[in-house]
Amino acid sequence: KQEVTQIPAALSVPEGENLVLNCSFTDSAIYNLQWFRQDPGKGLTSLLLIQSSQREQTSGRLNASLDKSSGRSTLYIAASQPGDSATYLCAARFPSGGSYIPTFGRGTSLIVHP
Amino acid sequence: KAGVTQTPRYLIKTRGQQVTLSCSPISGHRSVSWYQQTPGQGLQFLFEYFSETQRNKGNFPGRFSGRQFSNSRSEMNVSTLELGDSALYLCASSGWDRGASGANVLTFGAGSRLTVL
Repeated sequence: KQEVTQIPAALSVPEGENLVLNCSFTDSAIYNLQWFRQDPGKGLTSLLLIQSSQREQTSGRLNASLDKSSGRSTLYIAASQPGDSATYLCAARFPSGGSYIPTFGRGTSLIVHP
Repeated sequence: KAGVTQTPRYLIKTRGQQVTLSCSPISGHRSVSWYQQTPGQGLQFLFEYFSETQRNKGNFPGRFSGRQFSNSRSEMNVSTLELGDSALYLCASSGWDRGASGANVLTFGAGSRLTVL
């Protein structure tokens, strides 16, 4: 059974700090890994997706990396802002029944205070 | 283009009742998957449909069922509701991103918040 773990579970930082959120998975047969943010009571907003053949993806202040051999992905947030406050979830998709099923981590709850 | 639409957004039921939730995927997406999110268990996969066929199923009791129509819209049904079924139910559609990434991207709806009393 695939497992996905996110560390830390919670993070509180002052505005302007650079952050690293970690996601680890137990199965190297990963298809892709997607990072999401979730605001309280809302759905998931996609941030970045990394294919298994890629090493990293960048979007604005966000950079995500993938290392299949070590079973790790990191999400780097540069110059954090209060608007970045949310829960960040990673989802690793693995082959199953002709498709690719995501396994989610429990998330990192981020608070950026002014 | 329109995103994933889930209805209803909020609903309250009592134990023993049944509920049906609806999901309209992004136009052109043929895969729809459903998830249950609770504070205790996090996000858990329920099932996935593709071209009206269930392709994968998570570890949930038979009270949880779903179906997909020819226009890719999907419904999930929970019968004989229990207090523990209170959760945010999320639907996602999956398809190929025609942008630079060309990747198979999961896009989520806003969810249906079910409260069972």
